Amino acid sequence: EAGVAQSPRYKIIEKRQSVAFWCNPISGHATLYWYQQILGQGPKLLIQFQNNGVVDDSQLPKDRFSAERLKGVDSTLKIQPAKLEDSAVYLCASSLTTAPTYNEQFFGPGTRLTVL
Amino acid sequence: AQSVTQPDIHITVSEGASLELRCNYSYGATPYLFWYVQSPGQGLQLLLKYFSGDTLVQGIKGFEAEFKRSQSSFNLRKPSVHWSDAAEYFCAANDYKLSFGAGTTVTVRA
Repeated sequence: EAGVAQSPRYKIIEKRQSVAFWCNPISGHATLYWYQQILGQGPKLLIQFQNNGVVDDSQLPKDRFSAERLKGVDSTLKIQPAKLEDSAVYLCASSLTTAPTYNEQFFGPGTRLTVL
Repeated sequence: AQSVTQPDIHITVSEGASLELRCNYSYGATPYLFWYVQSPGQGLQLLLKYFSGDTLVQGIKGFEAEFKRSQSSFNLRKPSVHWSDAAEYFCAANDYKLSFGAGTTVTVRA
């Protein structure tokens, strides 16, 4: 079974530029998550989708970050414009459901973003 | 506020020695608890999880964890460390969303 796919793996941009990350979850997984992992910290949830609806985006900086999950499968996370403090690894994860009892999340390899 | 704390930022252990990583949580009720491992350039891999029942949980790669309600702890252990265990380890808790500790980096020396 294929895992969670993410691209690109690495991205370097200058501040004020825009960038987009793509995620393809495990087939059949209804729930998709985007996390931001700053160096030296644990991952922090940015947004959670259930199918193509947003469940939780309370920690998403909505003035510059946006995410969508059209058709309830692939997802794109965008940053526009990027700031230096956005340098981080962006992890995508998916799970079958949102029920905590079965909420095993499977993580992709991440996209490492460097903002200069 | 709800939180997960990993007191040790970095641990160095000799190959073949035992390893214990500490994790404390602060939640109103006992959340679901997890340990993940992250190797360089890799995503997070689930080592084990605790939902309820037996307080000693067995995981993959020879790891186990013990849940202690009285201490609000969920410490990870391995009896004999291999060089391939060098990685970053994250404790996480889930009540309605998954929250991670800051991680512990494990270095294995020959």
